Amino acid sequence: GQNIDQPTEMTATEGAIVQINCTYQTSGFNGLFWYQQHAGEAPTFLSYNVLDGLEEKGRFSSFLSRSKGYSYLLLKELQMKDSASYLCAVDDGNYQLIWGAGTKLIIKP
Amino acid sequence: IAGITQAPTSQILAAGRRMTLRCTQDMRHNAMYWYRQDLGLGLRLIHYSNTAGTTGKGEVPDGYSVSRANTDDFPLTLASAVPSQTSVYFCASSDSNGNGGDTQYFGPGTRLTVL
Repeated sequence: GQNIDQPTEMTATEGAIVQINCTYQTSGFNGLFWYQQHAGEAPTFLSYNVLDGLEEKGRFSSFLSRSKGYSYLLLKELQMKDSASYLCAVDDGNYQLIWGAGTKLIIKP
Repeated sequence: IAGITQAPTSQILAAGRRMTLRCTQDMRHNAMYWYRQDLGLGLRLIHYSNTAGTTGKGEVPDGYSVSRANTDDFPLTLASAVPSQTSVYFCASSDSNGNGGDTQYFGPGTRLTVL
């Protein structure tokens, strides 16, 4: 079956670094997405990885290991506005995204 | 209009009633999607359309229907609403080139409550 796993909730301190993990088992693979979703709002695109390695984009970085079925999103210099849910999604190669349940990130001052 | 719009923003509906959720995009994206989002669950695909005139079933299509008469509009209809269809509904679109890895862009969502 198709499965995306990520932690339900994480807590971190303002100014710190946090890593949100995602593991996946899908029938096909055509890349992995990370989205950010603030409470009551729509998901917005953060990153896309299709090759192994680290992609850096400002304070956010995303890593992919296809052989391990594993990705992480790294957030540096955390700000209060980073409090949100972070959704991991895999393109299974059939024009559809398989979504994880999301990780709620709580930032404390 | 910029991006994707959905209407209504929220709705309370009596069970058994028919309801159409509207979705319009102005990005000329060929692919469009309807998802529902429930607490503790990931986004679940209801129906999708790869191009105008075609539609397909997603993970949870029962009780829902869609049409894609043109590129911009992708309405979702609940023929006879039931309480289990209480959810937040998101419409999304992508510029699909057939090679995968297409970023999906989301509308603001419709919060639907069926009593």
